[in-house]
Amino acid sequence: GAGVSQSPSNKVTEKGKDVELRCDPISGHTALYWYRQRLGQGLEFLIYFQGNSAPDKSGLPSDRFSAERTGESVSTLTIQRTQQEDSAVYLCASLLWGGNTEAFFGQGTRLTVV
Amino acid sequence: TQLLEQSPQFLSIQEGENLTVYCNSSSVFSSLQWYRQEPGEGPVLLVTVVTGGEVKKLKRLTFQFGDARKDSSLHITAAQPGDTGLYLCAGPNYGQNFVFGPGTRLSVLP
Repeated sequence: GAGVSQSPSNKVTEKGKDVELRCDPISGHTALYWYRQRLGQGLEFLIYFQGNSAPDKSGLPSDRFSAERTGESVSTLTIQRTQQEDSAVYLCASLLWGGNTEAFFGQGTRLTVV
Repeated sequence: TQLLEQSPQFLSIQEGENLTVYCNSSSVFSSLQWYRQEPGEGPVLLVTVVTGGEVKKLKRLTFQFGDARKDSSLHITAAQPGDTGLYLCAGPNYGQNFVFGPGTRLSVLP
């Protein structure tokens, strides 16, 4: 696709429910990142996928968070038993390592847990 | 411990003023990038600096990469309300991970 696409753009869920967020990266981009951004804050690294290597999960805040990526395409971030502190914008970025490496971001999914 | 530190964390200035924000690391980076994030959007790349001591200009924005490639600065001349946003520095660290600093949130008041 032309850019990184994330869905849904907005999600309101009840506390305790599971949610699944989707990221469609730019075709051919081998690297994919998930970040969390709380209101007025910077980017909080969650997880990094690079090709077929084992993902770097060091940023996941708890075992309620998990993510998968199918090959070098779509990724899903799943949050189980959501809590109010999970409310944030979840951003996905993809990039292709090379001479002009640039991270391309989606518009994000705004998650509100009520 | 952040690989990239940014300062100040927040900055609020009047239209027309000049400002500088900083990005620092104890590690050497092969390149550093600056991104700007406007409200409701994802960050967008502004510039990449590659050579130690390099200076790049983008209209009223001047970017500098430190000689030792451990730090960078962004200077904005005659800031405008349209410059308001979150400024992030980023770069590839050893192992090809891509790291972002925590950002400087700039507010330019008319």
